[in-house]
Order: sequence, then C-alpha cells, then structure tokens
Amino acid sequence: GEEVAQTPKHLVRGEGQKAKLYCAPIKGHSYVFWYQQVLKNEFKFLISFQNENVFDETGMPKERFSAKCLPNSPCSLEIQATKLEDSAVYFCASSQQGGDEKLFFGSGTQLSVL
Amino acid sequence: AQKITQTQPGMFVQEKEAVTLDCTYDTSDQSYGLFWYKQPSSGEMIFLIYQGSYDEQNATEGRYSLNFQKARKSANLVISASQLGDSAMYFCAMREYNFNKFYFGSGTKLNVKP
Repeated sequence: GEEVAQTPKHLVRGEGQKAKLYCAPIKGHSYVFWYQQVLKNEFKFLISFQNENVFDETGMPKERFSAKCLPNSPCSLEIQATKLEDSAVYFCASSQQGGDEKLFFGSGTQLSVL
Repeated sequence: AQKITQTQPGMFVQEKEAVTLDCTYDTSDQSYGLFWYKQPSSGEMIFLIYQGSYDEQNATEGRYSLNFQKARKSANLVISASQLGDSAMYFCAMREYNFNKFYFGSGTKLNVKP
C-alpha cells in the first residue's frame, strides 16, 4: 500500500490487561520504527526493524513490551500488563533503504489505560 | 546531550507574516538528514521539508524553507505568509545515516492569529 496502516485507531484497556497494536508499512520499505508520544509531546523511540530483523531496540522497556515484524504479516507491538503510564499515541513509521529517506508515519493508535 | 533542541515551546504569528522556528542539532556523523514535520490537532504527522548534510543550498518547498547553517548546527524552519491552517505542532528531526536512527525535538506549538 501507499500509506502506513495502523490498527486499531483507538484501544482501551484496563490496567494489567494486554494490548496489541498493528502496523502495515508501505510496500517496499525496509525499515519500520515504533514511537510513543505522550500528550502530543516528545516522540520516544521504542524499536526499529530492518525487514523482519530487530535493528535497534534500545528504547524498549523489555519487561512488558515486545514487537515483531514477520514476513507477509503486519508488524505488531504488544504490551503485557499495561500500566496507566502506557497511555499514549503509538506511531509506526516506515522508510526506504537509504540515508536521505524520510519517515512516513501512520495515523497512530491511541492507547488509553484505565 | 540532546540530539535535537527546539527552544520555543510556543510561538504566535500574525496571519500573512513570516515566522522562524528554531532547531539546533548535535551529531558527530558526517552524513545526516534534517527534517521538519507538522502535527495538526488531528494528530497525523505531515512531512514538510528535508535537508541533507551535504546539500549546499537551503531546501525550499512552497512556503517552507529550511535555513541550514552547518557550522552552527542549526536547521531553522521558515514559514512565509502564515495561514490559519499553519497552526499546529512542528517537530524538527534528524536522521543519522550511519546508525539509521531518527531523533525528534520536543516540538514548537505555532499559533497563527487572524
């Protein structure tokens, strides 16, 4: 597709429940990035993939967060045992190979943890 | 040290006037790209303009121009002839090619007054 498709748009979870977010990058894009944005402020980097391989996971709180990008499937970001502070918009973005390539963003998933 | 610094949390500009949004960056990479994105209240991230570290001329895209001063490590966004629809958050970002990492600033909220 020609756009980064994120689902669902909104997700509501009770504290302690699991949340799973999906992202279909633009076809042909090698890199996928996940960011967390709280209250329209800074973008916190979580993880990036090069094709199906984890490229950089330095931003991931690994005890509860996990992510995958498997061939022929949307990428996913899963949060086990959500906490109130996980409430945020989670953006997925993809880009082509090449240093001057910009990030194309999905429309985000608003996660609300109650 | 912060990789991207945006020192103006909020700015006001009169409709039809020009405005400059500041951005400074920090990198030891020789090859990098600088980007500006707009995030309206609806939340999507809209790419505005790109400047490569080796580009000698300032980038321009319609009413947007990027004032690139490499020695000062600054990449300010200039919006000419502001319109009411320019009211939004603006994020400066940098891609370090060697590590394929994107860094975002904390954003500047621009309000255009009629």
